[in-house]
Amino acid sequence: QKEVEQDPGPLSVPEGAIVSLNCTYSNSAFQYFMWYRQYSRKGPELLMYTYSSGNKEDGRFTAQVDKSSKYISLFIRDSQPSDSATYLCAMSEKTGANSKLTFGKGITLSVRP
Amino acid sequence: DTGVSQDPRHKITKRGQNVTFRCDPISEHNRLYWYRQTLGQGPEFLTYFQNEAQLEKSRLLSDRFSAERPKGSFSTLEIQRTEQGDSAMYLCASSLDGGNYGYTFGSGTRLTVV
Repeated sequence: QKEVEQDPGPLSVPEGAIVSLNCTYSNSAFQYFMWYRQYSRKGPELLMYTYSSGNKEDGRFTAQVDKSSKYISLFIRDSQPSDSATYLCAMSEKTGANSKLTFGKGITLSVRP
Repeated sequence: DTGVSQDPRHKITKRGQNVTFRCDPISEHNRLYWYRQTLGQGPEFLTYFQNEAQLEKSRLLSDRFSAERPKGSFSTLEIQRTEQGDSAMYLCASSLDGGNYGYTFGSGTRLTVV
């Protein structure tokens, strides 16, 4: 079993839909949780960063972490065609020195106009 | 600040040849990471530098791989005697010591071994 599992895709939704992306993990030492967006032929771009359990909102994006269930989610409201990309969850045991990230395999989202 | 730069963007090489990639991090960032991403997978950690010191290497980094960061600025990743299984996107990222906000990735070097 991989340390980080991400819901398989691809996912196709109509414009304006609410999108829910999810990851589970097995390493209870993970404390820092991130969502990256990756467009084709580009490097990942940081979208959201949360520490420990709770919710964080940034515009149309909400990140949710439930450490007791080892489950994280990213919600996208009013999805737009420009949101079409691959979304990667990532997590680390610590920040500061040696903050290497463990990624999920990513899910490709397509938002249809 | 032009972000993290990687060169070349694409490299096609014959099996058995050596290749070298370069990464220029964001200038004030003292941490530099190399990751490898294969098709349909998330990036996997390869190695990490704090300034010029290489502090950790993944078991994925076989003895055919070597990374350097002379003077704590740019970094190079060399693969000797390339194999078809080395075909992947090689991503470089940088961050600032004490930063709590993930890192900034470059656009990657796509390696194809034929």
